[in-house]
Amino acid sequence: NAGVTQTPKFQVLKTGQSMTLQCAQDMNHEYMSWYRQDPGMGLRLIHYSVGAGITDQGEVPNGYNVSRSTTEDFPLRLLSAAPSQTSVYFCASSTLFTGELFFGEGSRLTVL
Amino acid sequence: AQSVTQLDSQVPVFEEAPVELRCNYSSSVSVYLFWYVQYPNQGLQLLLKYLSGSTLVKSINGFEAEFNKSQTSFHLRKPSVHISDTAEYFCAVSEWRGGGSEKLVFGKGTKLTVNP
Repeated sequence: NAGVTQTPKFQVLKTGQSMTLQCAQDMNHEYMSWYRQDPGMGLRLIHYSVGAGITDQGEVPNGYNVSRSTTEDFPLRLLSAAPSQTSVYFCASSTLFTGELFFGEGSRLTVL
Repeated sequence: AQSVTQLDSQVPVFEEAPVELRCNYSSSVSVYLFWYVQYPNQGLQLLLKYLSGSTLVKSINGFEAEFNKSQTSFHLRKPSVHISDTAEYFCAVSEWRGGGSEKLVFGKGTKLTVNP
């Protein structure tokens, strides 16, 4: 089992560029989410989804878009990158019942 | 909405000493509680969880946490730490909403450093 797979692991962008962070899980989990981790801030929820076709905003959604066309995939899009989006991004999934998250290895994004 | 407060951002201890990492939460409904651990340059791993039943939960590597509803706390303890326990620890809460739970909210983390 691959679990939760994130790509790319590292990315450098210039301000204003767009990109998509990919996330896929093979555990048939209904719930998928994106977090960003910044020093001293813990993990902050960006967007989440409780099933295909359903998404909702978390604590820090501005500047990010998501979609959930399949159970397996939950991409995170940055439409116009800003230096404030420099962070480590984690995708995580779970069954709805327990809320126990399974995390990907993270994607480190630098915006210059 | 739920929230989590981890009272200590850094906790340095000596090897074989006991340690307690404090966590308080706020919620108006029933909750699930979790501790996750992040080793350097890695993702997060579940350490232990409280869903229901016994308020004292234990991990396989000697950590334990007790759910205290009256004090809205879920402190993490270990009676004797090892160098390999050096990591960042995150407390998290998820609200129970009948058909399931959503939105796991994390505290800001506590960096545990175990010194020889």
